[in-house]
Amino acid sequence: EIVLTQSPATLSLSPGERATLSCRASQSVTSYLAWYQQKPGQAPRLLIYDTSDRATGIPARFTGRGSGTDFTLTISSLEPEDFAVYYCHQRSTWPYTFGQGTKLEIK
Amino acid sequence: EVQLKESGGGLVQPGGSLRLSCVASGFTFSAYSMNWVRQAPGQGLELISYISSSSGTIYYAESVRGRFTISRDNAKNSLYLHTDRLRGEDTAVYYCARSVLGGLADWGQGTLVTVSS
Repeated sequence: EIVLTQSPATLSLSPGERATLSCRASQSVTSYLAWYQQKPGQAPRLLIYDTSDRATGIPARFTGRGSGTDFTLTISSLEPEDFAVYYCHQRSTWPYTFGQGTKLEIK
Repeated sequence: EVQLKESGGGLVQPGGSLRLSCVASGFTFSAYSMNWVRQAPGQGLELISYISSSSGTIYYAESVRGRFTISRDNAKNSLYLHTDRLRGEDTAVYYCARSVLGGLADWGQGTLVTVSS
């Protein structure tokens, strides 16, 4: 099973700041890495798929990068609605796994 | 508008069974692979089962293999998860989600399964 390790567990930032979230895979997932945002009481929302492609309706401030085992999600300038939990997810090898999440909180 | 609506959750005793359903609308259901993802209270996400558009490919996570069965009825735009021999650790919100391109692009609101005596 491919283990995805996200860091940091919690990120405290202010609106307008830049956020960088990391996801490291225990083995290569090539480019089959996605990012999801989840707010309390809501289902997850797809942000980025295949490392760097933004899903429909996702603002340009969300950028995904990486390849192989190391990936990042960058939010260029945080908006109040961006504070949530973020999960990375690989679909390279079954079982398709999720990282444990990074909580992005308001500082 | 794409909609996915789960039902069938509830309180069940350990060892019991439940059948979860997900009704889809707003897209051609028969053209897409579907998934069940669960989330235990306060925990992260676990993709527990996948089914291809024609039901030709089915996967299960190790945690549910042999106890859960995924199926679909394309004529009824419906996805199912039959859960058997339920355990306390199966307590979670269960989401159905549609695979689109490289991600799970659409999700239902979830149905809560609570396994407790």
